[in-house]
Amino acid sequence: DAKTTQPTSMDCAEGRAANLPCNHSTISGNEYVYWYRQIHSQGPQYIIHGLKNNETNEMASLIITEDRKSSTLILPHATLRDTAVYYCIVRVEGPGGKLIFGQGTELSVKP
Amino acid sequence: GAVVSQHPSRVICKSGTSVKIECRSLDFQATTMFWYRQFPKQSLMLMATSNEGSKATYEQGVEKDKFLINHASLTLSTLTVTSAHPEDSSFYICSARETHSGTGELFFGEGSRLTVL
Repeated sequence: DAKTTQPTSMDCAEGRAANLPCNHSTISGNEYVYWYRQIHSQGPQYIIHGLKNNETNEMASLIITEDRKSSTLILPHATLRDTAVYYCIVRVEGPGGKLIFGQGTELSVKP
Repeated sequence: GAVVSQHPSRVICKSGTSVKIECRSLDFQATTMFWYRQFPKQSLMLMATSNEGSKATYEQGVEKDKFLINHASLTLSTLTVTSAHPEDSSFYICSARETHSGTGELFFGEGSRLTVL
């Protein structure tokens, strides 16, 4: 599975959009981009995933560049409860596809 | 969304004893489950892939005789830490993917915090 690069930490003001970048320059054509987050001392929570089209759900939007070498997770109106470590992961789709976690971005939402 | 439950959420044991952690998929069947370990201030590290009805596949550097994995049914996988030592103290997390899911996401348990005295 391809590696990803994310900033170590980011701050965001409450109510503003949080834009979390991720580089995955070695991604293969059959690898999806997944985003998870982990709030302190809890298991990771699925946020969103995509292959090449932009995706949106009730939690966030995922913007993938045309060359698929990078993506951005957007939390449109960040709240204090969005403070967490956000992980960007690329993996092959399928029942055996493993999730290999990198270091992630520690997002702090401040009042 | 699908629910994955782990038990116990916290366990304290004496050095040299064995501890079993259960991972259950509550509302779906999971042919494959994954076990992770997380030390403080670090990311999740994949330990092994648990396959229903067959042997687990361990990641490089993970001792299979130390961390016994059993996936006896489509809804239950267990991780047994044998002869636990203080360095095995960690946060253990399991995840599962619905066997016939078309969406692909893995669902994670709440984690089990092991403290070995």
